[in-house]
Amino acid sequence: NAGVTQTPKFQVLKTGQSMTLQCAQDMNHNSMYWYRQDPGMGLRLIYYSASEGTTDKGEVPNGYNVSRLNKREFSLRLESAAPSQTSVYFCASSEWSGTPVYEQYFGPGTRLTVT
Amino acid sequence: QKEVEQDPGPLSVPEGAIVSLNCTYSNSAFQYFMWYRQYSRKGPELLMYTYSSGNKEDGRFTAQVDKSSKYISLFIRDSQPSDSATYLCAMSPMRSVWGKLQFGAGTQVVVTP
Repeated sequence: NAGVTQTPKFQVLKTGQSMTLQCAQDMNHNSMYWYRQDPGMGLRLIYYSASEGTTDKGEVPNGYNVSRLNKREFSLRLESAAPSQTSVYFCASSEWSGTPVYEQYFGPGTRLTVT
Repeated sequence: QKEVEQDPGPLSVPEGAIVSLNCTYSNSAFQYFMWYRQYSRKGPELLMYTYSSGNKEDGRFTAQVDKSSKYISLFIRDSQPSDSATYLCAMSPMRSVWGKLQFGAGTQVVVTP
């Protein structure tokens, strides 16, 4: 099992450019998430998908769009990149496993710089 | 004011020492408390979780929750250089599959040989 994979690992964009971050999981999880991580801010939820066919906004959705392409794949799109979107982006997935909490499994991250 | 406060460190300790980490929170509705460990340039991974108040032990790791003080702690005994990582607390008001976790900023821990 690869777990959660993300592409690309690194990206540099110019202000105004667009790009899509790809995420895929092979654990048959229903729920998937996109976070951004900034120094001193912790992980902040951008969008999530509770199940295939549904998406919803998280804490910081402005400037982003998402697509739940199928059960495995959840993409994040920046339509017009801004320097404030410079961050490390993490995709995660989760599924009920009988424990009291839903463990989220994270990908390795995409390091995005917008100049 | 953030809902979850966590000192970012870095916290540097010698090998074998006890590492003490903590988070404070303001939302009294939080019931589920988690600690994630994140190695440099990797994604976070769940280390431990507790529900409501009390202690939980797992090997060298002990998690404590004091809901009356809105304070959670993680202790690492006999720390090893391999424990060097950033530790993030996370919490939610209910068992939430919808990703509604509130994360602390993370504390960087460095264990020196």
